[in-house]
Amino acid sequence: QVQLQESGPGLVKPSQTLSLTCTVSGDSINSGSSYWSWIRQPAGKGLEWIGRIYTSGSTNYNPSLKSRVTISVDTSKNQFSLKLNSVTAADTAVYYCARYYDILTGFRNWGQGTLVTVSS
Amino acid sequence: QSVLTQPPSASGTPGQRVSISCFGSSSNIGSNTVNWYQQLPGTAPKLLIYSSNQRPSGVPDRFSGSKSGTSASLAISGLQSEDEADYYCAAWDDSLNGWVFGGGTKLTVL
Repeated sequence: QVQLQESGPGLVKPSQTLSLTCTVSGDSINSGSSYWSWIRQPAGKGLEWIGRIYTSGSTNYNPSLKSRVTISVDTSKNQFSLKLNSVTAADTAVYYCARYYDILTGFRNWGQGTLVTVSS
Repeated sequence: QSVLTQPPSASGTPGQRVSISCFGSSSNIGSNTVNWYQQLPGTAPKLLIYSSNQRPSGVPDRFSGSKSGTSASLAISGLQSEDEADYYCAAWDDSLNGWVFGGGTKLTVL
């Protein structure tokens, strides 16, 4: 059974870069045709898709965040990462990593989520 | 402001049937299937329905989904106290080239 685990600083200062890593266990990040995504959820609010990276390394980002987001993959560590630069308080949220195979089947695997607070 | 529109709240008594709607547009629900997620308090979302009306293994058949045009619906029959959670619809948006979610519906079991 595949497991995803987010890690990274829980506190980031305004204007700095938020960096998170998702470690995948129980399966190879290179196996099959998987899309690895980041999704966030501000406290008391809904879910927002940030972006995805395909097994091949190609990426797609939410247009509202595209100018500030980079998602990358490290196959040697079975991890993929999120970088969000120039953060503000509006970026404070629980950040989830998740996997899906295609747009029909949805996000089947999720990490437990990690809270990132943007504050000085 | 979410791309997909859901009612903020819904409620029912144990044993009742409740339905949660999700409205979109031609570029998302009108073109693609809908997934539904259940989020219990303090936990990550869990896939409840995929491809508009399919249940992953382990999801009770009390949960069902449907889609028509640019809207979708999640129905829960035989409501149980453990169904109290937030429910989100999601679909791929061809115009945005990304996933869009509804704002979520908080289901209360009275």
